Amino acid sequence: DAGVIQSPRHEVTEMGQEVTLRCKPISGHNSLFWYRQTMMRGLELLIYFNNNVPIDDSGMPEDRFSAKMPNASFSTLKIQPSEPRDSAVYFCASSSAPLNTEAFFGQGTRLTVV
Amino acid sequence: DAKTTQPNSMESNEEEPVHLPCNHSTISGTDYIHWYRQLPSQGPEYVIHGLTSNVNNRMASLAIAEDRKSSTLILHRATLRDAAVYYCILRDVPNGQNFVFGPGTRLSVLP
Repeated sequence: DAGVIQSPRHEVTEMGQEVTLRCKPISGHNSLFWYRQTMMRGLELLIYFNNNVPIDDSGMPEDRFSAKMPNASFSTLKIQPSEPRDSAVYFCASSSAPLNTEAFFGQGTRLTVV
Repeated sequence: DAKTTQPNSMESNEEEPVHLPCNHSTISGTDYIHWYRQLPSQGPEYVIHGLTSNVNNRMASLAIAEDRKSSTLILHRATLRDAAVYYCILRDVPNGQNFVFGPGTRLSVLP
Protein backbone atom coordinates (compact mmCIF):
# COMPACT_ATOMS: atom_id res chain seq x y z
CA ASP A 1 0.00 0.00 0.00
CA ALA A 2 1.27 3.48 -0.84
CA GLY A 3 0.16 4.86 2.49
CA VAL A 4 -1.95 7.96 3.04
CA ILE A 5 -1.63 10.20 0.01
CA GLN A 6 -2.09 13.94 0.23
CA SER A 7 -2.12 16.45 -2.58
CA PRO A 8 -0.79 18.89 -3.33
CA ARG A 9 2.42 18.74 -1.31
CA HIS A 10 2.83 22.49 -1.51
CA GLU A 11 0.28 25.20 -2.21
CA VAL A 12 0.83 28.93 -2.46
CA THR A 13 -2.25 31.06 -2.89
CA GLU A 14 -3.36 34.63 -2.54
CA MET A 15 -5.52 35.81 0.31
CA GLY A 16 -9.20 35.46 -0.52
CA GLN A 17 -8.78 32.52 -2.85
CA GLU A 18 -10.36 29.12 -2.31
CA VAL A 19 -8.00 26.30 -1.39
CA THR A 20 -8.80 22.59 -1.56
CA LEU A 21 -6.58 19.99 0.06
CA ARG A 22 -7.04 16.34 -0.82
CA CYS A 23 -6.47 13.08 0.99
CA LYS A 24 -6.63 9.44 -0.04
CA PRO A 25 -6.64 7.19 3.05
CA ILE A 26 -5.23 3.69 3.19
CA SER A 27 -7.61 1.20 1.60
CA GLY A 28 -9.76 -0.52 4.22
CA HIS A 29 -9.33 2.16 6.85
CA ASN A 30 -12.62 3.50 8.15
CA SER A 31 -11.43 6.53 10.16
CA LEU A 32 -9.91 9.68 8.75
CA PHE A 33 -8.45 12.68 10.55
CA TRP A 34 -7.45 16.17 9.42
CA TYR A 35 -4.81 18.09 11.40
CA ARG A 36 -3.18 21.49 11.11
CA GLN A 37 0.35 22.14 12.39
CA THR A 38 1.98 25.48 13.11
CA MET A 39 4.94 26.45 15.24
CA MET A 40 2.73 28.42 17.59
CA ARG A 41 -0.12 25.95 18.09
CA GLY A 42 1.47 22.57 17.34
CA LEU A 43 -0.67 19.77 15.92
CA GLU A 44 -4.37 20.60 16.08
CA LEU A 45 -7.10 18.07 15.32
CA LEU A 46 -9.56 19.78 13.00
CA ILE A 47 -12.09 17.06 12.24
CA TYR A 48 -12.41 13.32 12.05
CA PHE A 49 -14.65 10.97 10.12
CA ASN A 50 -15.76 7.45 10.91
CA ASN A 51 -17.23 5.41 8.04
CA ASN A 52 -17.37 8.62 5.95
CA VAL A 53 -19.47 10.44 8.56
CA PRO A 54 -18.07 13.49 10.37
CA ILE A 55 -17.96 12.62 14.07
CA ASP A 56 -16.33 15.65 15.64
CA ASP A 57 -15.63 18.94 13.86
CA SER A 58 -15.15 21.01 17.00
CA GLY A 59 -11.56 21.71 15.98
CA MET A 60 -12.52 23.42 12.74
CA PRO A 61 -11.44 27.02 13.37
CA GLU A 62 -14.33 28.81 11.68
CA ASP A 63 -16.92 28.64 8.94
CA ARG A 64 -14.33 29.30 6.29
CA PHE A 65 -13.18 25.71 6.79
CA SER A 66 -15.17 22.74 5.56
CA ALA A 67 -14.37 19.05 5.11
CA LYS A 68 -16.08 16.31 3.17
CA MET A 69 -15.66 12.59 2.73
CA PRO A 70 -17.86 11.55 -0.20
CA ASN A 71 -16.56 7.97 -0.15
CA ALA A 72 -14.18 5.72 1.73
CA SER A 73 -11.24 6.55 -0.50
CA PHE A 74 -11.29 10.33 -0.67
CA SER A 75 -11.59 13.39 1.55
CA THR A 76 -11.20 17.11 1.02
CA LEU A 77 -10.50 20.05 3.30
CA LYS A 78 -11.57 23.36 1.82
CA ILE A 79 -10.77 26.88 2.97
CA GLN A 80 -12.84 29.66 1.44
CA PRO A 81 -11.78 32.44 1.57
CA SER A 82 -8.21 31.78 2.64
CA GLU A 83 -6.31 34.15 4.95
CA PRO A 84 -2.58 34.48 5.74
CA ARG A 85 -3.16 33.02 9.23
CA ASP A 86 -4.26 29.77 7.57
CA SER A 87 -0.67 29.19 6.49
CA ALA A 88 0.37 25.87 8.03
CA VAL A 89 1.12 22.25 7.26
CA TYR A 90 -2.08 20.22 6.98
CA PHE A 91 -1.92 16.49 7.70
CA CYS A 92 -4.38 13.76 6.95
CA ALA A 93 -4.32 10.45 8.82
CA SER A 94 -6.30 7.23 8.63
CA SER A 95 -6.80 4.19 10.82
CA SER A 96 -8.93 1.07 10.97
CA ALA A 97 -11.15 -0.45 13.61
CA PRO A 98 -10.75 -1.36 16.40
CA LEU A 99 -10.04 2.08 17.74
CA ASN A 100 -6.94 1.04 19.67
CA THR A 101 -4.90 0.65 16.52
CA GLU A 102 -2.27 2.85 15.02
CA ALA A 103 -3.00 5.74 12.71
CA PHE A 104 -1.00 6.43 9.57
CA PHE A 105 -0.21 9.97 8.52
CA GLY A 106 0.36 11.45 5.09
CA GLN A 107 3.33 13.63 4.24
CA GLY A 108 1.26 16.77 4.63
CA THR A 109 0.39 19.77 2.50
CA ARG A 110 2.32 22.94 3.20
CA LEU A 111 -0.06 25.84 2.59
CA THR A 112 1.17 29.40 2.25
CA VAL A 113 -1.38 32.20 1.91
CA VAL A 114 0.12 35.50 0.83
CA ASP B 1 -10.22 14.82 27.12
CA ALA B 2 -7.66 13.25 29.42
CA LYS B 3 -4.41 15.20 29.23
CA THR B 4 -0.77 14.22 29.22
CA THR B 5 2.29 16.08 30.46
CA GLN B 6 5.74 15.62 28.94
CA PRO B 7 9.05 17.47 29.31
CA ASN B 8 9.59 19.99 26.54
CA SER B 9 12.97 18.62 25.55
CA MET B 10 15.51 15.92 26.34
CA GLU B 11 18.98 15.11 25.20
CA SER B 12 20.72 11.80 24.76
CA ASN B 13 24.03 10.47 23.54
CA GLU B 14 24.11 8.17 20.56
CA GLU B 15 23.91 4.45 21.35
CA GLU B 16 22.71 5.08 24.89
CA PRO B 17 19.21 4.23 26.19
CA VAL B 18 16.63 6.99 26.40
CA HIS B 19 13.69 7.11 28.80
CA LEU B 20 10.96 9.52 27.78
CA PRO B 21 8.42 10.12 30.57
CA CYS B 22 4.74 10.96 30.31
CA ASN B 23 2.32 11.81 33.10
CA HIS B 24 -1.39 11.17 32.68
CA SER B 25 -2.83 11.39 36.17
CA THR B 26 -6.44 11.74 34.95
CA ILE B 27 -6.35 8.65 32.76
CA SER B 28 -9.55 6.61 32.68
CA GLY B 29 -9.83 2.85 32.67
CA THR B 30 -10.62 2.75 28.95
CA ASP B 31 -7.81 5.02 27.74
CA TYR B 32 -5.07 3.45 25.67
CA ILE B 33 -1.62 5.05 25.91
CA HIS B 34 -0.16 5.73 22.48
CA TRP B 35 3.23 7.11 21.47
CA TYR B 36 3.96 8.74 18.16
CA ARG B 37 7.01 10.56 16.90
CA GLN B 38 7.53 13.19 14.26
CA LEU B 39 10.80 13.38 12.40
CA PRO B 40 11.77 16.71 10.81
CA SER B 41 9.62 17.61 7.79
CA GLN B 42 7.51 14.46 8.09
CA GLY B 43 4.12 13.47 9.39
CA PRO B 44 3.84 11.76 12.77
CA GLU B 45 4.49 8.04 12.84
CA TYR B 46 3.27 5.40 15.25
CA VAL B 47 5.76 4.05 17.78
CA ILE B 48 3.90 1.88 20.29
CA HIS B 49 0.77 1.63 22.41
CA GLY B 50 -0.50 -0.21 25.48
CA LEU B 51 -3.29 -0.41 28.02
CA THR B 52 -1.98 -1.90 31.27
CA SER B 53 0.95 -4.20 30.59
CA ASN B 54 4.40 -3.25 29.39
CA VAL B 55 4.83 -3.61 25.65
CA ASN B 56 7.80 -4.23 23.38
CA ASN B 57 8.17 -3.90 19.64
CA ARG B 58 11.01 -3.46 17.20
CA MET B 59 11.13 0.29 17.72
CA ALA B 60 10.79 0.72 21.46
CA SER B 61 9.42 -0.48 24.79
CA LEU B 62 6.57 1.02 26.76
CA ALA B 63 6.61 0.78 30.53
CA ILE B 64 3.28 1.58 32.19
CA ALA B 65 3.05 2.35 35.89
CA GLU B 66 0.89 0.05 37.97
CA ASP B 67 -1.61 2.84 38.67
CA ARG B 68 -1.45 3.87 34.96
CA LYS B 69 -0.90 7.49 35.91
CA SER B 70 2.41 7.60 34.10
CA SER B 71 4.32 5.78 31.40
CA THR B 72 7.80 5.75 29.92
CA LEU B 73 8.87 5.22 26.35
CA ILE B 74 12.22 3.48 26.20
CA LEU B 75 14.53 3.64 23.21
CA HIS B 76 17.13 1.01 23.95
CA ARG B 77 19.94 2.45 21.83
CA ALA B 78 19.39 5.94 20.51
CA THR B 79 20.61 6.70 17.01
CA LEU B 80 20.87 10.04 15.25
CA ARG B 81 17.75 9.07 13.29
CA ASP B 82 15.76 8.95 16.53
CA ALA B 83 15.98 12.72 16.90
CA ALA B 84 12.35 13.79 16.73
CA VAL B 85 9.40 15.13 18.70
CA TYR B 86 7.80 12.33 20.72
CA TYR B 87 4.10 12.56 21.58
CA CYS B 88 2.29 10.69 24.33
CA ILE B 89 -1.45 10.47 23.62
CA LEU B 90 -4.45 8.94 25.34
CA ARG B 91 -7.05 7.38 23.08
CA ASP B 92 -10.46 6.67 24.56
CA VAL B 93 -11.96 3.70 22.77
CA PRO B 94 -15.62 3.70 23.83
CA ASN B 95 -16.19 7.42 23.39
CA GLY B 96 -14.76 7.90 19.98
CA GLN B 97 -11.46 8.68 18.49
CA ASN B 98 -10.23 11.63 20.46
CA PHE B 99 -6.73 11.64 19.05
CA VAL B 100 -5.33 14.89 20.34
CA PHE B 101 -1.62 15.74 20.32
CA GLY B 102 0.07 17.82 23.01
CA PRO B 103 3.37 19.68 22.49
CA GLY B 104 5.44 16.52 22.97
CA THR B 105 9.12 16.11 23.91
CA ARG B 106 11.81 17.18 21.49
CA LEU B 107 14.60 14.59 21.67
CA SER B 108 18.08 15.57 20.57
CA VAL B 109 20.65 12.82 20.02
CA LEU B 110 24.29 13.81 20.27
CA PRO B 111 26.96 11.92 18.32
